[in-house]
Amino acid sequence: NAGVMQNPRHLVRRRGQEARLRCSPMKGHSHVYWYRQLPEEGLKFMVYLQKENIIDESGMPKERFSAEFPKEGPSILRIQQVVRGDSAAYFCASSPLDFYNEQFFGPGTRLTVL
Amino acid sequence: KNEVEQSPQNLTAQEGEFITINCSYSVGISALHWLQQHPGGGIVSLFMLSSGKKKHGRLIATINIQEKHSSLHITASHPRDSAVYICAVPSNSGGSNYKLTFGKGTLLTVNP
Repeated sequence: NAGVMQNPRHLVRRRGQEARLRCSPMKGHSHVYWYRQLPEEGLKFMVYLQKENIIDESGMPKERFSAEFPKEGPSILRIQQVVRGDSAAYFCASSPLDFYNEQFFGPGTRLTVL
Repeated sequence: KNEVEQSPQNLTAQEGEFITINCSYSVGISALHWLQQHPGGGIVSLFMLSSGKKKHGRLIATINIQEKHSSLHITASHPRDSAVYICAVPSNSGGSNYKLTFGKGTLLTVNP
């Protein structure tokens, strides 16, 4: 049973480009969470999705960031027109249910904006 | 919003020593998570616990719900235990259990 998979593991973008980060949850998990870890800072919640639904995006920056979890395929975190401040590690986690359930984390995508 | 404090921030130990990392939070919770992150690496979920104690190999996690405090213990520490250990609790905003608030982490270095 494969764990949570994220790709790419490392992503380099120039300012103004788009970054697409993918997350495949564990088999049987239908809930996905995205977190961001800025350099020298702790992890921060960004968004919580179920299949085809955004449940809570209160941690997402208001502009340039979007997330989706389609019926088929991985969850995508999309950052448009990246800026240097977007450089961070982005982790996704999945769980079978939200309440009282452990979240299993992926290996993360390290985004570097030049 | 739940506030999470971890101590110590940094911890250096000799191989074989018993390690304790502490976590305190401000608002009552349903469950607390302990995570491990190796430098530049991914995050591994070690424990999720809502009461009492859990043990996995050389790792033991305890929680005192009344005192809003949890500890992570490592027995017979080994250099491969060197990592950042992170405590996380539900933010408790609007009753959601999924939105986690994370401690700043404890950087553990175990020397041979």
